[in-house]
Amino acid sequence: DTGVSQDPRHKITKRGQNVTFRCDPISEHNRLYWYRQTLGQGPEFLTYFQNEAQLEKSRLLSDRFSAERPKGSFSTLEIQRTEQGDSAMYLCASSPLSGGANNEQFFGPGTRLTVL
Amino acid sequence: GIQVEQSPPDLILQEGANSTLRCNFSDSVNNLQWFHQNPWGQLINLFYIPSGTKQNGRLSATTVATERYSLLYISSSQTTDSGVYFCAVESGSNYKLTFGKGTLLTVNP
Repeated sequence: DTGVSQDPRHKITKRGQNVTFRCDPISEHNRLYWYRQTLGQGPEFLTYFQNEAQLEKSRLLSDRFSAERPKGSFSTLEIQRTEQGDSAMYLCASSPLSGGANNEQFFGPGTRLTVL
Repeated sequence: GIQVEQSPPDLILQEGANSTLRCNFSDSVNNLQWFHQNPWGQLINLFYIPSGTKQNGRLSATTVATERYSLLYISSSQTTDSGVYFCAVESGSNYKLTFGKGTLLTVNP
């Protein structure tokens, strides 16, 4: 039983550098989501894909952030010119595209980003 | 957007005690999930419960959608139950989850 996987698990970078994170969803899941979690808060939605189409982006996703899901399988989240305020846990989730009402989301282990 | 409030924010228990965590939401929901976040940050699915009652071992949950709240019950708590419990809801025509701020549960031996 393969769950959602994320890579890397930890990333330390210097301010101004670019970073890229990868998410591999559960294989039969068509929807993929990115969330960000800062200390003491619940996760906040960033963006989501249905297959390869990016259908919604949060206002939290500034122009320094870009996400892709080129073949409808894995996804990448890139942050350009990182700032200290970008330090957070970045979580990926996936859910099935089904005709029913079940849209249960399953989360990966997260990538913890520290910007020095 | 929809608002999600969890209470209490913190809860300290002795091992063996029972507890009830509450989640209030401000609008009708299509989906409600309860998660346990472990010390490494992994969100573990506990319940998918937009309405009704479910039980899984020592844990059970009830959502009363018409009154816009959900409850998570933990019975005979164990130290391994410690961590943050999140309620998250999906509302409207999009599929994103809106999370509450969580309840930090500490179970002492």
